[in-house]
Amino acid sequence: NAGVTQTPKFQVLKTGQSMTLQCAQDMNHEYMSWYRQDPGMGLRLIHYSVGAGITDQGEVPNGYNVSRSTTEDFPLRLLSAAPSQTSVYFCASSYGTGRTEAFFGQGTRLTVV
Amino acid sequence: AQKITQTQPGMFVQEKEAVTLDCTYDTSDQSYGLFWYKQPSSGEMIFLIYQGSYDEQNATEGRYSLNFQKARKSANLVISASQLGDSAMYFCAMRGSIGNQFYFGTGTSLTVIP
Repeated sequence: NAGVTQTPKFQVLKTGQSMTLQCAQDMNHEYMSWYRQDPGMGLRLIHYSVGAGITDQGEVPNGYNVSRSTTEDFPLRLLSAAPSQTSVYFCASSYGTGRTEAFFGQGTRLTVV
Repeated sequence: AQKITQTQPGMFVQEKEAVTLDCTYDTSDQSYGLFWYKQPSSGEMIFLIYQGSYDEQNATEGRYSLNFQKARKSANLVISASQLGDSAMYFCAMRGSIGNQFYFGTGTSLTVIP
């Protein structure tokens, strides 16, 4: 039972480079989201999706792009990496509503130099 | 807008003692859910306990209980009989009924002292 799978676990980028963080879930969850975790700031919502073909911005969307072509996959794209995007990124999924918790991937530690 | 506030950046507790981690929230939703997660030093996010806004009883899961005071908009986590393995970061989160996003607090770092 894989749950939520994030790749890669670690990544170092140079300023200006682009990359895609992958996220896949096998629980048929409608809702998927991306967070970044920075010291002292908790988890902040970047983008989320309530189903295939539907995405929306969270609290800190600038510099990131998402798409949701299938229920299973929700990649996060960094368009032109900046040092301010150095962070730990988490993908999460859950059922759409109700008494259901979010299931998290293992996280990606990204460093932009 | 939804907001979660955790005012204790760090807490210490003696092994086998109980500890309360504070969480207050702000929302205009009538129906919402409150969650607590544990993040050990290895980094994964572990779901601990859930409380619904219409639940009349406080939620309990083993050594974890949630002290829910709706009028005060607080959802404190109580850990009984602390163990060394409870040392971790703890996050309070809320899920509203509009949009269904999860919003997280800034977390409390708990250290259990032998």
